[in-house]
Amino acid sequence: EVQLLESGGGLVQPGGSLRLSCAASGFTFGNFAMTWVRQAPGKGLEWVSLIVGSGSSSYYADSVKGRFTVSRDNSKNTLFLQVNGLTDEDAAVYYCAKTRPETLAFEVWGPGTLVAVSS
Amino acid sequence: EIVMTQTPLSLSVTPGEPASISCRSSQSLLDTDDGDTFLDWYLQKPGLSPQLLIYSLSHRASGVPDRFSGSGSGTDFTLKISRVEAEDVGVYYCMQRIDFPWTFGPGTRVDIK
Repeated sequence: EVQLLESGGGLVQPGGSLRLSCAASGFTFGNFAMTWVRQAPGKGLEWVSLIVGSGSSSYYADSVKGRFTVSRDNSKNTLFLQVNGLTDEDAAVYYCAKTRPETLAFEVWGPGTLVAVSS
Repeated sequence: EIVMTQTPLSLSVTPGEPASISCRSSQSLLDTDDGDTFLDWYLQKPGLSPQLLIYSLSHRASGVPDRFSGSGSGTDFTLKISRVEAEDVGVYYCMQRIDFPWTFGPGTRVDIK
């Protein structure tokens, strides 16, 4: 069974940083692109980032470009999101998701990890 | 950035009746090279993570009941539920992935009358 579990969220001050993790199991991790999607409290979904299976290419939403960095460790079946320069607008539940082969639709999602930003 | 819009933003449906949600993109989502349309539909049930319903315009994801169907072309798309059931409540999102940054629609909240 494919499973994803995010961790690393928490309360951080404006301008602060966090490293989010997504532990994957039940599939050959390195064969699939992975993505991050976030959801601010009471708001809709916002795509954040995508990284290809090898880790050689990554893509970002304009709102996070230059502040967030996605990476992966295929030997440990783990996806990461380094989030820097946090503002109130970054407060959200962050979900990782596994993509479908070829189509890249988000076929399995984790339960999410909450990032709160407050002084 | 491609802007996605959805109508209506909320919908109240009687069980057993059909429902339809429209999604529009500011640019065509058709990949002319391979003929695929990069439009997906997701459902977020209350308190849960989103789940994939339809990918590439009209393909149902694994385990999705056949009462759900996706259609459309170019910039106009529709998600149809042939007979709504109580378990279908939640927020439905369309999403484009033809161009980065990928973008979601604002969501359509569906509840039961």
